[in-house]
Amino acid sequence: GAGVSQSPSNKVTEKGKDVELRCDPISGHTALYWYRQSLGQGLEFLIYFQGNSAPDKSGLPSDRFSAERTGGSVSTLTIQRTQQEDSAVYLCASSLIGPNTDTQYFGPGTRLTVL
Amino acid sequence: GESVGLHLPTLSVQEGDNSIINCAYSNSASDYFIWYKQESGKGPQFIIDIRSNMDKRQGQRVTVLLNKTVKHLSLQIAATQPGDSAVYFCAEIGPTASKLTFGTGTRLQVTL
Repeated sequence: GAGVSQSPSNKVTEKGKDVELRCDPISGHTALYWYRQSLGQGLEFLIYFQGNSAPDKSGLPSDRFSAERTGGSVSTLTIQRTQQEDSAVYLCASSLIGPNTDTQYFGPGTRLTVL
Repeated sequence: GESVGLHLPTLSVQEGDNSIINCAYSNSASDYFIWYKQESGKGPQFIIDIRSNMDKRQGQRVTVLLNKTVKHLSLQIAATQPGDSAVYFCAEIGPTASKLTFGTGTRLQVTL
């Protein structure tokens, strides 16, 4: 079946603008994750959704970052008033149940460039 | 704090040789470990995983070894091919945690 998809694949924006990044998880996966990967770095956890439970937002770097997951499927990550340090690849992943029980499968990422 | 790290940032091997990528972790409560491969411009791709009740697991051309005594994880790739060139990440999680902790990655370069 189809894997995790993300859109757009690339986004260039001006400092101060808002951006929305979209993630379509694998069908049937109840858990969804957002990560950020800066150039040459490992993956930094941002947020985790599990079913209808309140999301784990402990990785969001500031209140300019928010995410929602509608209908338990598609998720959007919103960055308000973007800053140059927000430039990175934003990766979405999904898993069948949760992070401790099964593998996370990643999408191709959205490369965000803030000018 | 708890962390997962890699010993070698870059590993260069000749085509056909075996590769070994190492990873150290510090959280003794971690019980699930995963290796991912990331090619340029792509998202991480699952390679193999292992739980703490095992010390070895084999896949196609890949083997993961877990040494809980010294908190060390390794990925062995047999008969390394040019297509194996990528950055490899280890990741770990404990039974009550909600997020994977990733290492910084090792770049594998396969030379002809």
